[in-house]
Amino acid sequence: TQLLEQSPQFLSIQEGENLTVYCNSSSVFSSLQWYRQEPGEGPVLLVTVVTGGEVKKLKRLTFQFGDARKDSSLHITAAQPGDTGLYLCAGGSNSGYALNFGKGTSLLVTP
Amino acid sequence: GAGVSQSPRYKVAKRGQDVALRCDPISGHVSLFWYQQALGQGPEFLTYFQNEAQLDKSGLPSDRFFAERPEGSVSTLKIQRTQQEDSAVYLCASSYRDSKQFFGPGTRLTVL
Repeated sequence: TQLLEQSPQFLSIQEGENLTVYCNSSSVFSSLQWYRQEPGEGPVLLVTVVTGGEVKKLKRLTFQFGDARKDSSLHITAAQPGDTGLYLCAGGSNSGYALNFGKGTSLLVTP
Repeated sequence: GAGVSQSPRYKVAKRGQDVALRCDPISGHVSLFWYQQALGQGPEFLTYFQNEAQLDKSGLPSDRFFAERPEGSVSTLKIQRTQQEDSAVYLCASSYRDSKQFFGPGTRLTVL
């Protein structure tokens, strides 16, 4: 199993602050995905990064894939309460179809 | 419907009872996945179907877990003789072949 470690595990910040969460592995991934999961719901795909060094922006969210394709980061600018949720990174497993998830970063943004 | 639906949304079972969890995938999606998400953890893969064929069941934790998709659409995950360690959220996801997976809201199973 290719392990994905996410940090921090928990993060509580105030509205307007910036934050970065990390997803690290000792294995190389062909691609990594970031999901957000809200309480009582399933994960929703935010972005897929494929190329080493790639940077993708989704409004206030910036995703980066490491040059060696072993790690990724998610940076949120000016966090809002609506950003609250569990952020999960996932990579492809050896099977090629199942997803291998990290444990997630639980983010709470207070007004 | 527009998305993946699962039922029931919540299930409480006494230890030793059998439970059946249902997943209605997005119409036309060939691939269907079941994941188990324990409290404070990320989802973990259980099993994979392509149409009605169960191609991978390597993630099923024991022979008490059984999944089927007889007509290549609706799928049922059955857990026999439930144990407390089976308490988790069970997520179903579907995709058109092996592309982006769309997740349902999950069934939260609590075994007392």
